[in-house]
Amino acid sequence: DVKVTQSSRYLVKRTGEKVFLECVQDMDHENMFWYRQDPGLGLRLIYFSYDVKMKEKGDIPEGYSVSREKKERFSLILESASTNQTSMYLCASSFRGQVQETQYFGPGTRLLVL
Amino acid sequence: DQQVKQNSPSLSVQEGRISILNCDYTNSMFDYFLWYKKYPAEGPTFLISISSIKDKNEDGRFTVFLNKSAKHLSLHIVPSQPGDSAVYFCAAQYGNKLVFGAGTILRVKS
Repeated sequence: DVKVTQSSRYLVKRTGEKVFLECVQDMDHENMFWYRQDPGLGLRLIYFSYDVKMKEKGDIPEGYSVSREKKERFSLILESASTNQTSMYLCASSFRGQVQETQYFGPGTRLLVL
Repeated sequence: DQQVKQNSPSLSVQEGRISILNCDYTNSMFDYFLWYKKYPAEGPTFLISISSIKDKNEDGRFTVFLNKSAKHLSLHIVPSQPGDSAVYFCAAQYGNKLVFGAGTILRVKS
């Protein structure tokens, strides 16, 4: 069974704080993704990574950065949290080379920025 | 500009009846279309998919239909069960990235 875990289920931070969201997968997947989910907007891709130390911007990268130092771990960093970054953050992973892109998701981190 | 649209935010269906969830897209280059199901406090899980070269794919109670000329796909659940109550996301694939719709909340009443 694929398992994707996220470090926190709920997080409350203050405006201007640096925030780290961690994601770990245990299936040796090459690809990892960070999304945010907002009502009426669905899931939007923030950043993704094809391999260790590689990263690509998604559709909404502004205000975020990522780090992938190990294959199983993908971190999302909010350099200076703002209230408009209050959201549900979902991490996903997938196997490189599959024809159909089946992604496996973690349970999500609900972040509230005050 | 949303490339994948789910125009119905919610749908309510009686247990045993058919649930039909719809999805429209704008990019004819998408390779696959996937449906994900999400329960509260859980991440989305893959449900069923269809290749862009097919027009129908069936898996048990779930069938997905693709109409490429209309750029439209639909997910049919027959018969609907209370455990099907969840948020359903339509996603379209290009390369190894997915573009998601806004989701439809399905409530199956017993």
